[in-house]
This record gives sequence, structure tokens and C-alpha cells, in this order.
Amino acid sequence: ETGVTQTPRHLVMGMTNKKSLKCEQHLGHNAMYWYKQSAKKPLELMFVYNFKEQTENNSVPSRFSPECPNSSHLFLHLHTLQPEDSALYLCASSQGLAGETQYFGPGTRLLVL
Amino acid sequence: AQTVTQSQPEMSVQEAETVTLSCTYDTSENNYYLFWYKQPPSRQMILVIRQEAYKQQNATENRFSVNFQKAAKSFSLKISDSQLGDTAMYFCAFMGRPKLVFGQGTRLTINP
Repeated sequence: ETGVTQTPRHLVMGMTNKKSLKCEQHLGHNAMYWYKQSAKKPLELMFVYNFKEQTENNSVPSRFSPECPNSSHLFLHLHTLQPEDSALYLCASSQGLAGETQYFGPGTRLLVL
Repeated sequence: AQTVTQSQPEMSVQEAETVTLSCTYDTSENNYYLFWYKQPPSRQMILVIRQEAYKQQNATENRFSVNFQKAAKSFSLKISDSQLGDTAMYFCAFMGRPKLVFGQGTRLTINP
């Protein structure tokens, strides 16, 4: 379970705070993803990066700002979030975008007060 | 848009029994991939099994096997000789171009 790591594992923040989620993959993959997992809803793809370039933004509000400095690291910067943004945020990586298996991190459990 | 439907929100079986989780999907694509992922309580989501749509042979992985019916757009997961450690949420997922789309999940409980 160390292929994809995420920090922090738990985060509580107020609506005026700014925080960042970090994801790191040790698998030599080129593609990285952010997903949102809310209770009683399917996993929702948020962003896709391939070779550090964003290839997909699934109509995510601008209060979520991703950053991918290299193929091994992915960040999700959070600011002025809403209580409905409380969820489990999962990072994943894959070798590429041509149907390769995605490997998931343990997630960050976010609570917005 | 692709959709994935898992019609069984919850299932429960006794240890050592065989259980089948259902999944259907909707797509107009011909080349795609299907996955079953397992998410144990408070633990990481891990891949259980993967199927390429162009392969007619059903994928198997130890006690896990799938019944892939392309024409019916059905992709069920069979777990044989179920174990307590199989207790988890199981997600069916479809990968077309280029997204991975997940179903709602089935909560499977294996009872001793």
C-alpha cells in the first residue's frame, strides 16, 4: 500500500482557510488523478494530469486548484470551501491514459466546517 | 455519456459461500476496459480484476472471476469460497475515452 501516498490523511478546515492536499506516487507512472468520494455517490473524477499537463478538468469549481510539478507529485489546493465539499479525496496514478489500471492512494478525509 | 449501474447496494453471505455482484454499463464505444475495485473499511481502494472488452475470455484472478457479456453490457464479479477479508465496498468501473467511471458500489459483508 505504499505505491501511492497521500497527506494528510485527515483534515478539518473552516470555510475561510487555505490548505493543500498532497499526493505522491512511487510507481514511475506518468498520469495522475484527483477523485472526490462523497457518501452515497459514485466516485467523481476531478482532474487528470499526464506528463505534468492537465488533460481533464471535470467542471470542478475554482476553489479547488490542482498543481502537478512533476509526474510523481500532485497537489490539490483548497480555499474558501463549502461544507458540501466535505468528502474523501482520492489520488490515483496510472502508467498512461490508454486503459491502464489506476492505482489509488488511501485518501484524505476532509471535513469543512 | 457512459454510465455504470450496480443494482445491489448491499449483500451479505456466509463465509465459504459463492457470491456474485452485478454490474451493467452503457456505452457506444467498442473498445474499452472494465474493472472491479475493492475498498475495505477505512482502507485503500485496490484493484480486484480487469477485463479488456476486445477479449472474449473472462478474466480470472484466484477466487475472483468475471462474467463479461459484451452484447448485454454486463460485467458481474463472482467471488468463490468467500473469506472474512472479502468484506468491503466493491466498485465496478468502466474506462472509455478517457475517463474511469464508477458505479455506486455494493457493500459486501462476509459473515462467519
